[in-house]
Formats: sequence, C-alpha cells, structure tokens
Amino acid sequence: AAGVIQSPRHLIKEKRETATLKCYPIPRHDTVYWYQQGPGQDPQFLISFYEKMQSDKGSIPDRFSAQQFSDYHSELNMSSLELGDSALYFCASSDGTGPDTQYFGPGTRLTVL
Amino acid sequence: SQQGEEDPQALSIQEGENATMNCSYKTSINNLQWYRQNSGRGLVHLILIRSNEREKHSGRLRVTLDTSKKSSSLLITASRAADTASYFCATLTLIYSGAGSYQLTFGKGTKLSVIP
Repeated sequence: AAGVIQSPRHLIKEKRETATLKCYPIPRHDTVYWYQQGPGQDPQFLISFYEKMQSDKGSIPDRFSAQQFSDYHSELNMSSLELGDSALYFCASSDGTGPDTQYFGPGTRLTVL
Repeated sequence: SQQGEEDPQALSIQEGENATMNCSYKTSINNLQWYRQNSGRGLVHLILIRSNEREKHSGRLRVTLDTSKKSSSLLITASRAADTASYFCATLTLIYSGAGSYQLTFGKGTKLSVIP
C-alpha cells in the first residue's frame, strides 16, 4: 500500500540558509500534519492543513511557513535557518473523515551547520 | 506541563521478560496511540485505544486506558531484542469543531533496551 512520501530524506544546510521540505500524503488523504523532533526529544506538532487550508497551528516558528497544494502535497519552508532547527521533520496524513490514525512518513533529517 | 508523559524514561530488560511502559496525560482525549521509533528512524503506529475502551490487545502488545486517572500502559510480553526502540504515547484531542482540527500530542518516550 502507498505510504506517505517525504523528500528529501536528508538535507544539510548552513546557518541563515533556507530549506524546503516536501510531503506527499497517502492517496485520497486530504489532511497533512507536520511535526519536528529534535535530538532525543518527542515529536512536536507544527502545523496541519485540511483541504488546502491551514487547520491548526502548533509550535511553528515565524521563520517557517507551509502550504498544501491542489494535489494535496504539502511543503514546509524554513528560512533563516538556525542550529537549533536541526531535527527530524515528520509529515503525516489522514483521511479528513476519520482522524483517528495519522500515517507518518519516514521523515526528513535536517542538519544545520 | 507536558501532555503524554511516559515513565520510565529508560527501561532495560532481558529477552523474554515483559516490558511495561506508562503514560499520563492532562486533558480529555479522543484516543490514545502508541508509537515505536527505532533510533533516529520513522514513527511506526503500534496500537490505538479509544477513550471509551479500557483494554486492547494486538499480538504481544496489551494497552490499557484509565480515563479517570488519565493514564495508559503499554505491555510488551515475551520481549525480543528486536523490540529495542523508543516508545511514545500520543494523545489525539479535538481542538475545535471542524475537519482537520484534531491534534496529536506526543509524550517524551520510553527508551526500551532488550538484552539478548
């Protein structure tokens, strides 16, 4: 069965650079969630989208923005990167009619040098 | 204060023993889920228990939920070395009425080491 796809899987950036992470949800899933997991930390909810509209916002810094496109894929844009942004970024998707289970992608590991 | 706090933070057992991990939370929930994560890898959904359920089984996993105490436990029976991973509980909460408005909040996780 198709799963959530994230790209790239690994990304190395310098401080103050920008990064764009992409998430392709499971087909027919209309809700996308982004999470950030720092080293040794639990995943923290950043932001979610339903039907291309932002539906909920968590601890997402102002330097980050995200959107969901007409094909339901989502992109997380991160600007003015800081060392503390180094983390594993997960995307998850769900069927908007049944939010019980969010299906997680493999994550993108971002390293800021 | 943290929603979904697990204890212990780390647990080391011998292969074949049972492992029990606990999770406490603070707000009312729709359901509680347990995830497994191998070092630095993706999150694997293990089991979900709804707020009106008290116990659920899946293979060697047994989950209990006590909504009066706002706590849950995950029991892994007959542990194997391959069970070595971090285990997170996550609570699903309705933030507001409307689609896409559920939020999944993770606890800090229990790091389980199963020694062969």
